Amino acid sequence: EPEVTQTPSHQVTQMGQEVILRCVPISNHLYFYWYRQILGQKVEFLVSFYNNEISEKSEIFDDQFSVERPDGSNFTLKIRSTKLEDSAMYFCASSDHRAGGGELFFGEGSRLTVL
Amino acid sequence: GDSVTQMEGPVTLSEEAFLTINCTYTATGYPSLFWYVQYPGEGLQLLLKATKADDKGSNKGFEATYRKETTSFHLEKGSVQVSDSAVYFCALRANTGNQFYFGTGTSLTVIP
Repeated sequence: EPEVTQTPSHQVTQMGQEVILRCVPISNHLYFYWYRQILGQKVEFLVSFYNNEISEKSEIFDDQFSVERPDGSNFTLKIRSTKLEDSAMYFCASSDHRAGGGELFFGEGSRLTVL
Repeated sequence: GDSVTQMEGPVTLSEEAFLTINCTYTATGYPSLFWYVQYPGEGLQLLLKATKADDKGSNKGFEATYRKETTSFHLEKGSVQVSDSAVYFCALRANTGNQFYFGTGTSLTVIP
């Protein structure tokens, strides 16, 4: 069964460092997302991506964050100058529908710990 | 804007008890509705979905009916098991745009 894969599963970094989280969405999907979940809190939307550009982003997704699809398979989230409050589980997701009944398929998540 | 309001947790039930987790939504038009489940240490998995009013989604003994008149999509299970212990998220996807909106999640613990 096709699945979304994420790497790394866990990354520890020092405050101020840059982090890149990687995702391989399901191959025939066209819509890609990043969500994050701070420990014990709700799942928060960060950004959606379609046709090689950002389609929607939340207020969380400020200039510290960027996304890229560098090739035909990977979808990356870059966090510049990490802060303690960036510590969270980051989930990548993909979907094959623009709207309507298409569901999100999530990866297992990348846990980011900022020290 | 679109949003989902979900019953606060945590919920603790004995095995074989009846489960209801309430979910109501606010949206323009006719969104699709979903329940996702997150088992300890894992990502979110789709549990069930409904794409139009009066549809019933069902999976693994769980059910939820899309009620447009009450803007609700409550999750139910007649007899929970210890293995159902997880966090359950209600979500909607608008029929325009491609963002999903999640509720805050309800933690369920089932004790033997």
